[in-house]
Amino acid sequence: GENVEQHPSTLSVQEGDSAVIKCTYSDSASNYFPWYKQELGKGSQLIIDIRSNVGEKKDQRIAVTLNKTAKHFSLHITETQPEDSAVYFCAASKGYSSASKIIFGSGTRLSIRP
Amino acid sequence: EPEVTQTPSHQVTQMGQEVILRCVPISNHLYFYWYRQILGQKVEFLVSFYNNEISEKSEIFDDQFSVERPDGSNFTLKIRSTKLEDSAMYFCASSENQRNSPLHFGNGTRLTVT
Repeated sequence: GENVEQHPSTLSVQEGDSAVIKCTYSDSASNYFPWYKQELGKGSQLIIDIRSNVGEKKDQRIAVTLNKTAKHFSLHITETQPEDSAVYFCAASKGYSSASKIIFGSGTRLSIRP
Repeated sequence: EPEVTQTPSHQVTQMGQEVILRCVPISNHLYFYWYRQILGQKVEFLVSFYNNEISEKSEIFDDQFSVERPDGSNFTLKIRSTKLEDSAMYFCASSENQRNSPLHFGNGTRLTVT
């Protein structure tokens, strides 16, 4: 089955600097890659996603890149702010069957230093 | 914005007891999911549900687990005889349709089995 690896497990950056979180997946049939943000005591919230027919997607300060050949995808947050502090999860899904399950990475705890 | 709501936020139970975790998915969503996250570990897929039946389940979802949509709004996860290792955060999610619709997660129920 699919396996998603995520690095680093913790990341601390200075406010205003950029943060990059990297993930790899094992199943080349995966075609949908969402990123979730989990704040303390809350459920995971989708922040951005990318499909396998696209190499890069950007939404304001957040961007995601996908390298299908290498089976890598990354989350980039620029001009980080204190409210970006959270745990971020990457995930992968095949998306072709009904109710396709999403396989999550192990999470990255991002801390923004003031 | 519509939300997935879960109750209770925290449930403490004794080993061997039955628990029911409740979820109200977003009203126009058709696919429903349960995930769990043991402390310090990945978010793991348990089960997906569509059209009043299980679409897919993981190896974790054994005979001790069941799901039900008893009425038009609730989606429940029942654990028949809880074990210590069932202690985790349980997240309900729903999505609008099958083709890579974003999953919307609830805030989770923290289950503690003593």
